[in-house]
Amino acid sequence: ETGVTQTPRHLVMGMTNKKSLKCEQHLGHNAMYWYKQSAKKPLELMFVYSLEERVENNSVPSRFSPECPNSSHLFLHLHTLQPEDSALYLCASSQEPLAGYNEQFFGPGTRLTVL
Amino acid sequence: DQQVKQNSPSLSVQEGRISILNCDYTNSMFDYFLWYKKYPAEGPTFLISISSIKDKNEDGRFTVFLNKSAKHLSLHIVPSQPGDSAVYFCAASAVQGAQKLVFGQGTRLTINP
Repeated sequence: ETGVTQTPRHLVMGMTNKKSLKCEQHLGHNAMYWYKQSAKKPLELMFVYSLEERVENNSVPSRFSPECPNSSHLFLHLHTLQPEDSALYLCASSQEPLAGYNEQFFGPGTRLTVL
Repeated sequence: DQQVKQNSPSLSVQEGRISILNCDYTNSMFDYFLWYKKYPAEGPTFLISISSIKDKNEDGRFTVFLNKSAKHLSLHIVPSQPGDSAVYFCAASAVQGAQKLVFGQGTRLTINP
């Protein structure tokens, strides 16, 4: 595997379910990100991790819970979601966290539908 | 308040002609700008960037122009090819300090044969 991978690619869940999104980066980067992309809206940064420490949390509801066990893996745990949480969830990585000149490498995303 | 705006949700261009995608920003602290390209079912991929110390950066068929006084940047693709059909995102950041990338909402470019 190369680059940034995400699983699953598609997820349909009910509002009472608990599920997790997984991201893995094979680039040796130090920072990982979760973004949310809703229809016709800009990408919204949700969380940033630098060397497994959370450095940014953009006022995301607690029903989204990130976990970064090591610098290559990032999870987004989901529970009691709402239909408006349906979106494309993108994971990204970069060499350094939040440095503006740093190119971020994105995974293909997980298309989440909450029924 | 949306700090980076792409006011055209879609653009259709004939193959071989020039495609011009526009982006406006409001935050005068932004000093680094990037364009990403996204195909369906794939994540965005970096295309080209420009620092505020320049007003033009060129990479093959892609050129980005920056007008700091107007807080406007544009991406020119010439000649346009069918493989350029994708969604293009403009992003901006402030290099100094820990500043996140702020994205526009994207423009869907369709190149017609």
